[in-house]
Amino acid sequence: AQSVTQLGSHVSVSEGALVLLRCNYSSSVPPYLFWYVQYPNQGLQLLLKYTTGATLVKGINGFEAEFKKSETSFHLTKPSAHMSDAAEYFCAVRRKTSYDKVIFGPGTSLSVIP
Amino acid sequence: DSGVTQTPKHLITATGQRVTLRCSPRSGDLSVYWYQQSLDQGLQFLIQYYNGEERAKGNILERFSAQQFPDLHSELNLSSLELGDSALYFCASSVTRGGGDTQYFGPGTRLTVL
Repeated sequence: AQSVTQLGSHVSVSEGALVLLRCNYSSSVPPYLFWYVQYPNQGLQLLLKYTTGATLVKGINGFEAEFKKSETSFHLTKPSAHMSDAAEYFCAVRRKTSYDKVIFGPGTSLSVIP
Repeated sequence: DSGVTQTPKHLITATGQRVTLRCSPRSGDLSVYWYQQSLDQGLQFLIQYYNGEERAKGNILERFSAQQFPDLHSELNLSSLELGDSALYFCASSVTRGGGDTQYFGPGTRLTVL
């Protein structure tokens, strides 16, 4: 069965510092991989996704993630944190079959300290 | 604004009651997904419909049911409500049946069962 782990339920960084949010998955075959962001009292918004091709994926708001098959990881990074990045971040996976469900990780709450 | 609309925004009801949550997908999207988000369970996939047919099922209780209508809007029916059903219920939509499709999330319906 697939699963997603996100190391650190809460991460704090200083404004301007590197943001690194970790995501590892377990799956016998590399799945589709997603990062979503949820701002307070809002729905989820896709940051980026990996489906095929280049393993370094660039998303919105300056975020990027790298798919590493050997490490079964899909960590999210941003070179310089901004106050507006404070939110909940979810990593998600989906098997490469048409009708399979999306499995979300438990989420990481990012705080940005001025 | 994702283009996905959900009504109502808030719902307060009593145990044992039945409620209906409504979702209108983005224009052109054929798939609708329902998710439940709670503090103890996190974000859980409930069910997916594609063009009126059920396509994938997740952790949906037997007391819950859903359907997608010819105009592609969807309804999630929750019956015999229990305190533990209190949660945020999200609807998402995507263009096709799945795979690496981006899911666009609505703002959610917050259900409180008293």
